[in-house]
Amino acid sequence: DQQVKQNSPSLSVQEGRISILNCDYTNSMFDYFLWYKKYPAEGPTFLISISSIKDKNEDGRFTVFLNKSAKHLSLHIVPSQPGDSAVYFCAATGGTYKYIFGTGTRLKVLA
Amino acid sequence: EAQVTQNPRYLITVTGKKLTVTCSQNMNHEYMSWYRQDPGLGLRQIYYSMNVEVTDKGDVPEGYKVSRKEKRNFPLILESPSPNQTSLYFCASSTGTGSFQPQHFGDGTRLSIL
Repeated sequence: DQQVKQNSPSLSVQEGRISILNCDYTNSMFDYFLWYKKYPAEGPTFLISISSIKDKNEDGRFTVFLNKSAKHLSLHIVPSQPGDSAVYFCAATGGTYKYIFGTGTRLKVLA
Repeated sequence: EAQVTQNPRYLITVTGKKLTVTCSQNMNHEYMSWYRQDPGLGLRQIYYSMNVEVTDKGDVPEGYKVSRKEKRNFPLILESPSPNQTSLYFCASSTGTGSFQPQHFGDGTRLSIL
């Protein structure tokens, strides 16, 4: 059973426009969510996170929104840049030290 | 430079031949973890360690062993590798043991078990 789902395997966006990456989860015990970005031949790098007590967290061009009632979070990138082209993973954890990752969304930003 | 170092980066081996993938971090992190990445399945946690001599199973521990004898090292051991363990493996570490600490990942080890 996939507790964290990223239903869009890929997404293409024009440079300068908004990219929206979505993530759904099923376990209501999750209380912290993170987004990682991964380039080919490299390990994932941390991007932004959000605690379940918040509904929004912003860091420069990146904003994460959390809708607890819908068990849904999204990552907004504004404006999108070609260097943002990568695979994005959402991850969740819930008071233990176990992390559950989604399957990833490949973002392509077109110049 | 702060980093997580995995060795080897690539390995092709045969079924049943024991192998160890090493992981070392230079950030004095308490928490370390191993993941495997497979197409369509994302990253799945194999084992994690909250500190020296403290380890626990992640979601997919079968066929793997770990040890944490020193804070900086967290080797992943495949006692009798099988083809279904062919995958891309990542080691990660983070400071403290709070779940809100983002993990630093190594660059990965690609294992092929024939």
